[in-house]
Amino acid sequence: AQSVSQHNHHVILSEAASLELGCNYSYGGTVNLFWYVQYPGQHLQLLLKYFSGDPLVKGIKGFEAEFIKSKFSFNLRKPSVQWSDTAEYFCAVNRDFGNEKLTFGTGTRLTIIP
Amino acid sequence: GAGVSQSPSNKVTEKGKDVELRCDPISGHTALYWYRQSLGQGLEFLIYFQGNSAPDKSGLPSDRFSAERTGGSVSTLTIQRTQQEDSAVYLCASSPSPTQYFGPGTRLLVL
Repeated sequence: AQSVSQHNHHVILSEAASLELGCNYSYGGTVNLFWYVQYPGQHLQLLLKYFSGDPLVKGIKGFEAEFIKSKFSFNLRKPSVQWSDTAEYFCAVNRDFGNEKLTFGTGTRLTIIP
Repeated sequence: GAGVSQSPSNKVTEKGKDVELRCDPISGHTALYWYRQSLGQGLEFLIYFQGNSAPDKSGLPSDRFSAERTGGSVSTLTIQRTQQEDSAVYLCASSPSPTQYFGPGTRLLVL
């Protein structure tokens, strides 16, 4: 069974700082990779996704993520964070077999200080 | 367009009572998933529907949990004889494959 690790449980940054949140997965086959964001009081929203092709994917609100197959990683980045980025971020993976359940990491709580 | 909707948004029940949680997926999405989000366990998969059938029920934690889907649309998750450890946010997602879109969840509190 696949698993997902997010090593940063709580990250605190000042506005305009750069962000990188780590995500590693364990599964030997082909996977689809996702980052979801949950703003305070809101539901899970898709931030970006990777299926195949260019390993650097861009999502909404200036976020991007890079798939490094050799490291089983899919880290999320943003060059300059804003206070409105305060949220919980979840990395998720499913097997590339059509409709497959998502396996989530434990989430990273991001707090941006104005 | 309309997203995934869930009802009720909040449910408080007494231990031992049965509860039903409802999910309305995005129109046209054939796949539907239930997940549970709790403090101790994070986000856990419960069950997956393709149309009206459930090819993967592996995440249901006990036989007190069941779910059905009718007309390839609305799904109901039923928890019988609720226990305090069932307190969590129950999330529904629908998918045209492989991306899943989530509803707002039902927050269940078992007293």
